[in-house]
Amino acid sequence: GQQVMQIPQYQHVQEGEDFTTYCNSSTTLSNIQWYKQRPGGHPVFLIQLVKSGEVKKQKRLTFQFGEAKKNSSLHITATQTTDVGTYFCALRAGTASKLTFGTGTRLQVTL
Amino acid sequence: DAGVTQSPTHLIKTRGQQVTLRCSPKSGHDTVSWYQQALGQGPQFIFQYYEEEERQRGNFPDRFSGHQFPNYSSELNVNALLLGDSALYLCASTTPGQGREGYTFGSGTRLTVV
Repeated sequence: GQQVMQIPQYQHVQEGEDFTTYCNSSTTLSNIQWYKQRPGGHPVFLIQLVKSGEVKKQKRLTFQFGEAKKNSSLHITATQTTDVGTYFCALRAGTASKLTFGTGTRLQVTL
Repeated sequence: DAGVTQSPTHLIKTRGQQVTLRCSPKSGHDTVSWYQQALGQGPQFIFQYYEEEERQRGNFPDRFSGHQFPNYSSELNVNALLLGDSALYLCASTTPGQGREGYTFGSGTRLTVV
C-alpha cells in the first residue's frame, strides 16, 4: 500500500519562530489530510487537500499540496505554545475509506 | 452535538485475556473505523464498519474482531491479549458524503497488557 514519510521527526523551536513539516510519497496521492494530536490527546482533523498545487490557510497555518501531488507541507508562522503536539499527514484511499498516517512530526515550543 | 465517545478510557488486562472496547460515533455519522496507536507511532488502521458489516481491514490478526450495531455504535474485541497489544485504541467516525471534513476521532482507550 501507499506510504508517506514525514520530516523532520522532531523539532524544537522558540515561541515566535516558524515551523514546517513535510510529507513525502513515492507515488501520486489522490488527496492528503492533516491532523494534529496534542500530548495525551487524540488526532484532530485540520484540513484536506485534493488539487495539484493547492494552498490553503488557516490563520497562522499554511498547507500546500505539491504540483506533482507527491508531497505536502504544513507551515506554521510565529509558533505559539498552543501549537505543541504531533502533526500527521494522512492518505484517504477513497470516500470514507481508511486513513494511512504518516510517521508524524513532533513539535515542541518553548518560551 | 456530541463527538465520538469511547469507553472505557483506561484498561489494564493480563496476557491471554479478552477485552471489549466501545465506541459511539458522532451524531450523523454512520461509518466507524478503529485504529491502534502504539507509543510514539502514528495510528494504524484495524478495520472499518459500515451498515453493520466490516468493509475494510488492515494488517491485524483474527484476534481482533468487531461489530457494529443498528444505532451505528461499534465494539472492538481483542482475544488472547499479548503484551504487544498495549496501545491507545482510537475510534473514528465519518459518513461517506462528508469525506472532505475528515474523520472525527474519540479520545481513545488506553489498554495496558501486563
